[in-house]
Amino acid sequence: GENVEQHPSTLSVQEGDSAVIKCTYSDSASNYFPWYKQELGKRPQLIIDIRSNVGEKKDQRIAVTLNKTAKHFSLHITETQPEDSAVYFCAAARVGGYNKLIFGAGTRLAVHP
Amino acid sequence: DGGITQSPKYLFRKEGQNVTLSCEQNLNHDAMYWYRQDPGQGLRLIYYSQIVNDFQKGDIAEGYSVSREKKESFPLTVTSAQKNPTAFYLCASSMDSLNTEAFFGQGTRLTVV
Repeated sequence: GENVEQHPSTLSVQEGDSAVIKCTYSDSASNYFPWYKQELGKRPQLIIDIRSNVGEKKDQRIAVTLNKTAKHFSLHITETQPEDSAVYFCAAARVGGYNKLIFGAGTRLAVHP
Repeated sequence: DGGITQSPKYLFRKEGQNVTLSCEQNLNHDAMYWYRQDPGQGLRLIYYSQIVNDFQKGDIAEGYSVSREKKESFPLTVTSAQKNPTAFYLCASSMDSLNTEAFFGQGTRLTVV
């Protein structure tokens, strides 16, 4: 079945550094790739997404890149702040028809002041 | 907050008993999902439904059942056949099959005692 692998499982950075989280997916028909942030004790919330017709998308300090040939996509956070500390999940879906959102295992990001 | 409500927040059940988790949304979303969250394993899809009176098994449907009799409601029953039911359960909804941003409920933590 469909599978999404996410690395690393934990990531520790100093405030101001960049953080990169990488995901690979197995279903070549996937065309929608969102990233969710889950703060401690809270529900996951969408922070950025990308569709297969673009290779990169940026929103202030966060950006996502997509390589469809290699079937991988990455989240980049620049100038990290302590409030970026959370668990980040990538996901992949085939939008249209019976699309279902398949998540990676998550990355626990810790930003140290 | 978010328009999707799960209840209860904490649930205890005795081994061998069935239990039903509630999920209600007032966002007029067509699609609804149930995920199970275990430490280090991300969000695993249990069941999903794109429209009323229709639902599909996810990756870990064994021991679970759902119904979708109304658009706004997607209850999940954890049956006695589920071998390891203790987990955090998240319900989500999205507008339709083309608008896949998922909005999550606050979750239900189920503990089998």
